[in-house]
Amino acid sequence: QKEVEQDPGPLSVPEGAIVSLNCTYSNSAFQYFMWYRQYSRKGPELLMYTYSSGNKEDGRFTAQVDKSSKYISLFIRDSQPSDSATYLCAMSAGGSWGKLQFGAGTQVVVTP
Amino acid sequence: KAGVTQTPRYLIKTRGQQVTLSCSPISGHRSVSWYQQTPGQGLQFLFEYFSETQRNKGNFPGRFSGRQFSNSRSEMNVSTLELGDSALYLCASSLSEGARAVEAFFGQGTRLTVV
Repeated sequence: QKEVEQDPGPLSVPEGAIVSLNCTYSNSAFQYFMWYRQYSRKGPELLMYTYSSGNKEDGRFTAQVDKSSKYISLFIRDSQPSDSATYLCAMSAGGSWGKLQFGAGTQVVVTP
Repeated sequence: KAGVTQTPRYLIKTRGQQVTLSCSPISGHRSVSWYQQTPGQGLQFLFEYFSETQRNKGNFPGRFSGRQFSNSRSEMNVSTLELGDSALYLCASSLSEGARAVEAFFGQGTRLTVV
């Protein structure tokens, strides 16, 4: 079993809908939770990160972390065709900042 | 502010050869990490360097090695290439200290094809 599980999709939504993405994990040591966006043939781009449990909002993006359930989510409001990409969750135990454990990535397609 | 630069962008090598990939981090970043990305395994951590020292290592064979120079630039080397080494190799840099320690920024990657 992988430390971080993420449904690979694809997830198809109409423009303007809310995109809901999530990951589960098994390692209780994870304290930092990140979401990356990766377009085809590009490197991952950091969207946002949260520390421990709680919510964080940045524009159209909201990240949620529930450490008691070992479950994290990313919501994208008012989705646009330009949001079509692969979204990767990543986690770190802290202290080892450069070592991230990634989920498989979810392919999102926003249709006009 | 320049981002993470990886060179070359594309490489084709023959089985048994060796290859060296280069990464220039964002100015001021002292941590450089390397990842391998394949369709089957996703993004897998190779190793991390901080101030010229390897700080973390993933579960890859000894054919994969790296180093970091005093200017934080990093190289990774793969010897005795195998077909399964074909992948996108990504480099990420981070401050690795302070409130923004966990923010890692990736380069465009080097696409390695082994034939």
